[in-house]
Amino acid sequence: DTAVSQTPKYLVTQMGNDKSIKCEQNLGHDTMYWYKQDSKKFLKIMFSYNNKELIINETVPNRFSPKSPDKAHLNLHINSLELGDSAVYFCASSHGGQYNQPQHFGDGTRLSIL
Amino acid sequence: KNEVEQSPQNLTAQEGEFITINCSYSVGISALHWLQQHPGGGIVSLFMLSSGKKKHGRLIATINIQEKHSSLHITASHPRDSAVYICAVEDYGGSQGNLIFGKGTKLSVKP
Repeated sequence: DTAVSQTPKYLVTQMGNDKSIKCEQNLGHDTMYWYKQDSKKFLKIMFSYNNKELIINETVPNRFSPKSPDKAHLNLHINSLELGDSAVYFCASSHGGQYNQPQHFGDGTRLSIL
Repeated sequence: KNEVEQSPQNLTAQEGEFITINCSYSVGISALHWLQQHPGGGIVSLFMLSSGKKKHGRLIATINIQEKHSSLHITASHPRDSAVYICAVEDYGGSQGNLIFGKGTKLSVKP
């Protein structure tokens, strides 16, 4: 009965490859997010989707493309992986449409680029 | 300068001590969140507040909007409280849910 689940938990791959991280939530939320936590443990938002529509897109390289097939899923596809992409990526969800809603986080996906 | 500053960066306490973690921010906000990141990496939302004070078990969060400051208190600390505590704000002028994070406070509670 996991609320926000991400797969895979760990991802080790070569530079230049293309990979995807999947995120699903069963909380009935309509807003989902992707965050990146760098090697210094600093969290930063990458994307936010509300009802399958992009509402936040921070300065993220266009090699990163989020895809939201429905309100319960927000997948992250990364093309041509670079060393600097190594990080932990967190998915989260909340009730959208207004401010001040708590966010529920997945367990994170640790991406390591060789 | 980061828009959200936390202090201290690291904190070591003995079991039973009262702990305070501080968060200051420089933007107008609609809400402030306190998050806990466990040693295993998972992140849990502890509090979300826009005024006053909230209490949950041994944890208390306060916010002073005029001073742009929030504190997280842990009473009767326990080794299981060892984690990184992260303050995050929702910028009032930003998009809904757009959190700006502090760098976290790493708390270690010794038995």
